[in-house]
Amino acid sequence: DTGVSQDPRHKITKRGQNVTFRCDPISEHNRLYWYRQTLGQGPEFLTYFQNEAQLEKSRLLSDRFSAERPKGSFSTLEIQRTEQGDSAMYLCASSLAGTGGYGYTFGSGTRLTVV
Amino acid sequence: AQTVTQSQPEMSVQEAETVTLSCTYDTSESDYYLFWYKQPPSRQMILVIRQEAYKQQNATENRFSVNFQKAAKSFSLKISDSQLGDAAMYFCAYRSLIADKLIFGTGTRLQVFP
Repeated sequence: DTGVSQDPRHKITKRGQNVTFRCDPISEHNRLYWYRQTLGQGPEFLTYFQNEAQLEKSRLLSDRFSAERPKGSFSTLEIQRTEQGDSAMYLCASSLAGTGGYGYTFGSGTRLTVV
Repeated sequence: AQTVTQSQPEMSVQEAETVTLSCTYDTSESDYYLFWYKQPPSRQMILVIRQEAYKQQNATENRFSVNFQKAAKSFSLKISDSQLGDAAMYFCAYRSLIADKLIFGTGTRLQVFP
């Protein structure tokens, strides 16, 4: 297994455009998480899935954000009508349910720049 | 709500020396997990060490050890025999037993000088 993969690594978009990021978790992990990390800050939780079910969403996840995990494998995070404040790194992580106390495996993130 | 505070934005250490990174947290829960993650320039968060709150014994992983003071809500990371490869951002994180999400501090940038 190659770990958690995120695509793309970098995305530059104009304000008002829609963007979509993809995350491929470790294959045997049934939980998948999205975090957002702005410059000089620690990651902040956005949402997580167990298989295809979205179990929790942060208040940070406005109506312009939508995350899916349609077949319980990869996940997508879409941001509609991007704003400059959306510029951040978006991190994906995965784990096996019941073992979260052992930590999570993170991807290398997608860095979004909204111009 | 739980919070995690890292009061040292930057720290530096000479190669082969020992450095301690500080972390305090606030919670009303009695059982939880605490973590230290390393984020090098490659951006991937790497788990350094974890501690279960119900265990009084401090966790150790090779050159990395923690000083867990539950009553003081303090969780510091000690790096012994520092190496150039230890240079990175270090994040302290909290996880409740109930909510499956990490709450991170703002990080400490560690520089290692030869």
